[in-house]
Amino acid sequence: KAGVTQTPRYLIKTRGQQVTLSCSPISGHRSVSWYQQTPGQGLQFLFEYFSETQRNKGNFPGRFSGRQFSNSRSEMNVSTLELGDSALYLCASSFGPTGGNQPQHFGDGTRLSIL
Amino acid sequence: DQQVKQNSPSLSVQEGRISILNCDYTNSMFDYFLWYKKYPAEGPTFLISISSIKDKNEDGRFTVFLNKSAKHLSLHIVPSQPGDSAVYFCAGGSNYKLTFGKGTLLTVNP
Repeated sequence: KAGVTQTPRYLIKTRGQQVTLSCSPISGHRSVSWYQQTPGQGLQFLFEYFSETQRNKGNFPGRFSGRQFSNSRSEMNVSTLELGDSALYLCASSFGPTGGNQPQHFGDGTRLSIL
Repeated sequence: DQQVKQNSPSLSVQEGRISILNCDYTNSMFDYFLWYKKYPAEGPTFLISISSIKDKNEDGRFTVFLNKSAKHLSLHIVPSQPGDSAVYFCAGGSNYKLTFGKGTLLTVNP
């Protein structure tokens, strides 16, 4: 069974640009969550989608947005990139809504570097 | 506001001994907790979870203990193996969202 797939694995951008990251969940999983991992802050929750609806959002500026398609694939977009956006962006999927003991399964992440 | 705290950035143990990783939380609304393990250049891997109505859950070498009155949970690994060397994250879950601690680097020495 294929795991969570994130593309691209590595990305280099410059300040002011925008970027789109992609996540394909495990087949049959309908919930997709996004996290930002930085050395100082650990994993921070960005947002979660279930059946194309965003159900929760973390404390990130509006430059961070996402969407989910009918096949459960998800994209995350960051506009007007800043140096501080350099991080590992992780996507996680679960079968049902994130809750109870539904473990989230993570992809290997996209390493975004801003120059 | 750090709702989940892992106060030990690192821990070193000998192979075969017990590893105890600790986690404190402040959010009383968490209704379940999870532990993840992360190797470099890979995403976190789910290890074990516990519902807030339980105080212990065991899976092979891994046991998670929850003390709700103290808002504290711990992960015990017995016996520890060199392959267990990784960063361990605890997370609290509620309202479709996981809140992670900053992680503890466990090193198991042969």
